[in-house]
Amino acid sequence: ETGVTQSPTHLIKTRGQQVTLRCSSQSGHNTVSWYQQALGQGPQFIFQYYREEENGRGNFPPRFSGLQFPNYSSELNVNALELDDSALYLCASWTSTIGYTFGSGTRLTVV
Amino acid sequence: GDSVTQMEGPVTLSEEAFLTINCTYTATGYPSLFWYVQYPGEGLQLLLKATKADDKGSNKGFEATYRKETTSFHLEKGSVQVSDSAVYFCALSEIDMRFGAGTRLTVKP
Repeated sequence: ETGVTQSPTHLIKTRGQQVTLRCSSQSGHNTVSWYQQALGQGPQFIFQYYREEENGRGNFPPRFSGLQFPNYSSELNVNALELDDSALYLCASWTSTIGYTFGSGTRLTVV
Repeated sequence: GDSVTQMEGPVTLSEEAFLTINCTYTATGYPSLFWYVQYPGEGLQLLLKATKADDKGSNKGFEATYRKETTSFHLEKGSVQVSDSAVYFCALSEIDMRFGAGTRLTVKP
């Protein structure tokens, strides 16, 4: 049990569709980050939220968007899915005492 | 921008062999450095970390020392086991986490 739970674990979508991935972290974990890990590569930073506001973003287009909620859950939304969006999407919460805690990820396949 | 470069794999070793996976970093400030491990089909697990120069992180027989003079954070283990087979990622963090491309380690009995 890592304290960060992601759902679903696997997902198959069609090119052009929209997808929402979910993440739940522990109470008090105000910072959440999302990462994309393509097959055989290291995770790439998508964006970070702190207290429901985006406060950092990597090199991803606007069709990648997010939300963070007061109950320490968050969402990653991807519109107009492309085949290259197929990847493992990782959510991580951060605290000053523990550092980053990663979830097990959602594996998205776009066909 | 800040970045991490790690030794390309894959690395294949026999059980009880010595392991080194090289990692160097580029950063404008003074980041924390990390090694993460990823087992097949799973997310990332923190293996060890160091927050300032000359710190040594260690866990489960793995060690890495934060070397500011060589901007390095090499991962070492004196005697690997089959169960150590996984992908290892070096990473740095100032605001967000930046990862290397990963090194796949296979340990054979």
